[in-house]
Order: sequence, then structure tokens, then C-alpha cells
Amino acid sequence: EPEVTQTPSHQVTQMGQEVILRCVPISNHLYFYWYRQILGQKVEFLVSFYNNEISEKSEIFDDQFSVERPDGSNFTLKIRSTKLEDSAMYFCASSEALLGLAGGDEQFFGPGTRLTVL
Amino acid sequence: GENVEQHPSTLSVQEGDSAVIKCTYSDSASNYFPWYKQELGKGPQLIIDIRSNVGEKKDQRIAVTLNKTAKHFSLHITETQPEDSAVYFCAASRRGSTLGRLYFGRGTQLTVWP
Repeated sequence: EPEVTQTPSHQVTQMGQEVILRCVPISNHLYFYWYRQILGQKVEFLVSFYNNEISEKSEIFDDQFSVERPDGSNFTLKIRSTKLEDSAMYFCASSEALLGLAGGDEQFFGPGTRLTVL
Repeated sequence: GENVEQHPSTLSVQEGDSAVIKCTYSDSASNYFPWYKQELGKGPQLIIDIRSNVGEKKDQRIAVTLNKTAKHFSLHITETQPEDSAVYFCAASRRGSTLGRLYFGRGTQLTVWP
């Protein structure tokens, strides 16, 4: 069964460093998302991406964050200058469609990347 | 924005018993409600979802009910098995205007004792 994959599974970085989290969405999917979960808190939406541009972003997704689809398979989240409060589990998700009335818009999640900022 | 509340935060049941997890939402425009199961070390897996044009949906031992008037929806697992032990998340979304964004509840840690 096709699945979303993410690398690395765990990333440790120093405050102020740049990190890139990588995702490979399901191959025929067109819509891509990043969410994060700070320990003990809700899973929070960061950004959605379609047709090589951001569709929607949350208030969390400020100028230090960026997303890119550098090729036909990868989808990346870059954090330019990490802060302690960026420590979280980051999930990538993808869906085939967006407005499916009878399905096709379900979001499938990857296993996550645990980011630890020291 | 949407706010989803989920209860209980932990739930322990004996194998074979039923488990019920409840969620409420605040935005009456939300019309899509998925449930995810997260096992240790894995990402959330979609197990069932319901859209606002139906009140109930069932898939084998799992069922979800939706009450649009009261703005709440519930997950029912019957004949629980130890492998049902996981964290369950409810979510809500407004298909048609916001572009797929999911709002999650805090999660319920379900433990099924053999």
C-alpha cells in the first residue's frame, strides 16, 4: 500500500541553525501539508501546498518557515533559524484531491520527524 | 477559527468491551470529520471519516456518529482487542472554503487490557 515517507526520523540541531525536513508524498497525490505536534499539545496545521505554491498557511508559519517541491517526488519544510520552541514532531501529509464529495480528499500522514532544538 | 475538544484523554477498557471517544467542534461550517489512530513510532493513520451529509457511518467494529445540531461527533469501537490500543485523534475540516486544513483534538490514549 502506498505511504507517505519522511526523513530523517529524528533531527537534533543547535538553536539558530537551519534544518530541512523531507517528505515523499504518495505518488499520485497533488495536495501536500505540514503539521506539527509539540509534546503534550494538539497537532497543529502549518501549511498546505498545491501546484507549486502555498495554498494556505497558519499563523505559526512565519518568515522563518518555507516549503518547496524541488522535484517530482520530494516535499520539504525548511526552518531557517531554529528556536527552542520549534522542538516538535513534524508530520507531512498528502491527499489526492481537495474537494471530494465522496472521498479522495482524505489526508494520509507520514511517520513524522522529531525535531529537537538545543 | 475552529476549536475541537476531545474526551476522555485516557481510556482503559477490558478486551471485548466497547470504547467511546467524544469530540465537539465550534465552527458550524465544518463538514468533514476524520478519525486517526496513532501507534507508537508511527504517524496518524486514517481509520474512518464522516461527512456532514450523513449521521452515522460504520466499518466493521468501528462506527462514527455525527450530531450537527449539537456540534459533536463520536467514535465507537466494539469488541475491542489489544491491538486497538493506540492514541486516537478526532479532527474537523471545512471542505469547500478552507483548503483542506484539519483541526485536531488533543487525542485519547486507549488501552485495551487482555
